Amino acid sequence: GENVEQHPSTLSVQEGDSAVIKCTYSDSASNYFPWYKQELGKRPQLIIDIRSNVGEKKDQRIAVTLNKTAKHFSLHITETQPEDSAVYFCAASWPEYGNKLVFGAGTILRVKS
Amino acid sequence: EAQVTQNPRYLITVTGKKLTVTCSQNMNHEYMSWYRQDPGLGLRQIYYSMNVEVTDKGDVPEGYKVSRKEKRNFPLILESPSPNQTSLYFCASSQTGGNEQFFGPGTRLTVL
Repeated sequence: GENVEQHPSTLSVQEGDSAVIKCTYSDSASNYFPWYKQELGKRPQLIIDIRSNVGEKKDQRIAVTLNKTAKHFSLHITETQPEDSAVYFCAASWPEYGNKLVFGAGTILRVKS
Repeated sequence: EAQVTQNPRYLITVTGKKLTVTCSQNMNHEYMSWYRQDPGLGLRQIYYSMNVEVTDKGDVPEGYKVSRKEKRNFPLILESPSPNQTSLYFCASSQTGGNEQFFGPGTRLTVL
């Protein structure tokens, strides 16, 4: 079945530096890869997503890259700010089961000012 | 306002006392899902529904039941709660599978 591994589990960066979170997936048929941000005590919210027909997508300071051959995708945050501190989850769709989302275990990002 | 709502937001109960957590969405979404969130384990899917009267087990369905009698509602039922079901629960909906999921505010459940 689909399995999504996410690394690192925690990440500390200095304000203004870049942060990169990586995920790998197991099902080569997966075609949708969202990233969610969860602030403390809040619900997860989508920050960016990418589909398998695209290799890279960017939205201001956030970008996602997808390598279908290697079955991994990454979240890149540039010029980090304290408000970027949160838990980030990657996910991959599982077409065999109605495109349900399988989530990674999450990355705690701390931006130190 | 487009949203997913859950009730209650917080619940403390005792082992074996049946409970229901309600979930409702006003976006006419076909796909709805329940997740539990535990430290270090991410979001694990309990059950999902691709449309009315269609439900399927997710990754951790034991001890839970769901129903989808109407498109907007997807209640989660714990017939006989146990302490290992203490967790943070999220309901989510999307237009269809493989699209952005909108999460409810969460329900923090403690089973003593």
